Amino acid sequence: NAGVMQNPRHLVRRRGQEARLRCSPMKGHSHVYWYRQLPEEGLKFMVYLQKENIIDESGMPKERFSAEFPKEGPSILRIQQVVRGDSAAYFCASSPYRDVDTEAFFGQGTRLTVV
Amino acid sequence: KQEVTQIPAALSVPEGENLVLNCSFTDSAIYNLQWFRQDPGKGLTSLLLIQSSQREQTSGRLNASLDKSSGRSTLYIAASQPGDSATYLCAVSNSGYALNFGKGTSLLVTP
Repeated sequence: NAGVMQNPRHLVRRRGQEARLRCSPMKGHSHVYWYRQLPEEGLKFMVYLQKENIIDESGMPKERFSAEFPKEGPSILRIQQVVRGDSAAYFCASSPYRDVDTEAFFGQGTRLTVV
Repeated sequence: KQEVTQIPAALSVPEGENLVLNCSFTDSAIYNLQWFRQDPGKGLTSLLLIQSSQREQTSGRLNASLDKSSGRSTLYIAASQPGDSATYLCAVSNSGYALNFGKGTSLLVTP
């Protein structure tokens, strides 16, 4: 059972380009969470998705950022018109269901560098 | 708003020492608290999960305690080894799913 798979591991984009980060949850997991880790900062919750639904996007910047988790395929975090401040490590986690007893399993992250 | 603080920010110890990492949080209405390990350039590995009704959890040389009323948790590592060198993150959940993370304690265990 493979873990949470994120790709690419490293992504370089020029200012103004679009960045697409992909996350394939663990087999049997239908809940996905995205977190961002800025340099010298702790991880910050961005968004919680179930298949085809956004449950909580309270941590997402209001502009340029969007996330989806389609019925088929990985979850996608999309950043339009990237700026230098978007440079960070983006982590995805998944869980089989939403329950306070359930731990989430994290992927290895995508490190985005905006030049 | 939940604030999670970890002390110390960095720690260097010789191999074999027992050590304690501290975590404090401002909002005690939590569902659970987790300790993670993060290696450079890698993802997060869950070490211990403590439910709000529990006082401690143990796994091998690791023991985590939780005092919800005072907003504190400690991670105790016994007989430290160089392989324990990593950043240790504390995270609490007020929603049952979203985690609020501290900035971590960077641990270096020297041979």
